[in-house]
Amino acid sequence: ETGVTQTPRHLVMGMTNKKSLKCEQHLGHNAMYWYKQSAKKPLELMFVYSLEERVENNSVPSRFSPECPNSSHLFLHLHTLQPEDSALYLCASSPLQGGTRGGYTFGSGTRLTVV
Amino acid sequence: GESVGLHLPTLSVQEGDNSIINCAYSNSASDYFIWYKQESGKGPQFIIDIRSNMDKRQGQRVTVLLNKTVKHLSLQIAATQPGDSAVYFCAESTQTGANNLFFGTGTRLTVIP
Repeated sequence: ETGVTQTPRHLVMGMTNKKSLKCEQHLGHNAMYWYKQSAKKPLELMFVYSLEERVENNSVPSRFSPECPNSSHLFLHLHTLQPEDSALYLCASSPLQGGTRGGYTFGSGTRLTVV
Repeated sequence: GESVGLHLPTLSVQEGDNSIINCAYSNSASDYFIWYKQESGKGPQFIIDIRSNMDKRQGQRVTVLLNKTVKHLSLQIAATQPGDSAVYFCAESTQTGANNLFFGTGTRLTVIP
C-alpha cells in the first residue's frame, strides 16, 4: 500500500448512471490530484486541489465533478459519461501545492468502464 | 503545453542484463525530472528524481542521466530482474505555474528469464 487508497478498484456504469470515485490519503499531504490514464496516452491531469481548494481544472468536461471535503479525502463525481471516458482514474497526493519535490504518491486507481 | 515523450514504447531485456529507458522533453525551462514505475494493477511509483543542476544521480540499481543540451533523460537499471517488468514513465516540471508534473506515454519493459 502506498498510503493513497482508491475505491472502488473497478467500476462499470451505464451512460445515464451517477457514480463517485473516492480517494483517501493519510500521509499528511495537503495537495491532491485526479489523473486520467488511457491506453497509449500520457497521464492527463484533470484536477488539482491544494489545501482543499481547487487550483487547476484542465478543461475537463462538466460530467466530471471533483470534491475535496478535507485534506485527506478527494472525490470524483461522475454523471452521464461517454464510452470514451473509460480509463484508469488515478488519485495522487503530495506534500506541497504542485508538490513536485519528492514526487507524487499515487493510489492504485479505479478502472472505469462506461457501457 | 510541455511535450514529454519516450523513444521506444517497448523494451525487452534478458534477466541480468542492464536496461536503458530513454525520454525526450521539449520544455527547456523544466528543472525537475522524475522516473516512475507502474506495475500491472497499480499506480505509478516513484523511483528516482533529478534536478536540472545535476547530470547524474544514482540509486539502488538505478541511475538517471540528464542531458540538458539535447533535452534527454534516461533511466538505467543494472542487473535487470523479473520484478523490474513494468511500464516506466518520465515526468517533468518547472518552477513556474502550478509546478504540475507532465508525463510521457511510458515504456513497457519486459524482462526475459
